[in-house]
Amino acid sequence: GEDVEQSLFLSVREGDSSVINCTYTDSSSTYLYWYKQEPGAGLQLLTYIFSNMDMKQDQRLTVLLNKKDKHLSLRIADTQTGDSAIYFCAERNRDDKIIFGKGTRLHILP
Amino acid sequence: DAGVIQSPRHEVTEMGQEVTLRCKPISGHDYLFWYRQTMMRGLELLIYFNNNVPIDDSGMPEDRFSAKMPNASFSTLKIQPSEPRDSAVYFCASAPGARNEQFFGPGTRLTVL
Repeated sequence: GEDVEQSLFLSVREGDSSVINCTYTDSSSTYLYWYKQEPGAGLQLLTYIFSNMDMKQDQRLTVLLNKKDKHLSLRIADTQTGDSAIYFCAERNRDDKIIFGKGTRLHILP
Repeated sequence: DAGVIQSPRHEVTEMGQEVTLRCKPISGHDYLFWYRQTMMRGLELLIYFNNNVPIDDSGMPEDRFSAKMPNASFSTLKIQPSEPRDSAVYFCASAPGARNEQFFGPGTRLTVL
């Protein structure tokens, strides 16, 4: 069945770049998403990429998509304490259903 | 707009009791989703509605769970009887269309003792 996998934890020093990785199984995914969940809150869409793109940049965020390997990454440049959150990778499949990964908890070290 | 509103924010109940979670979607959004989040299973889609009609309830765990959407501005998720393994954070989300961004509510943290 469809699956979205991502590592559960990542620790990064403040000021460094964070790279959160994700793999998915459905080759017919149309859109891929990154959502951010701050403590005690719901998920918020951070950015997305259409499946025919391989890169998208938005200020400190860079999304890279390797469709051949079904690999998606989110790079956060100059990581700040406010970036501490859980980041969810998600894909929109051929049935227009969004499948979420389990989330990567990003911890910022001083 | 206030965003998606969920109530209560926290619920603690005893095993066997009925639990009702409530959601008010963003006005004008035709799609409403119920998710459950646990450490073990991550975020799971339970059911979603389009124009108040349930479209896909394949994620509903078992008959103890039921969801309704009597009108465009209100939905409930009911668990009867509740069990300790139902303890989780339940999110409601709404979207203007099937392919649009989903906007999530703050969630209801349910603890079943």
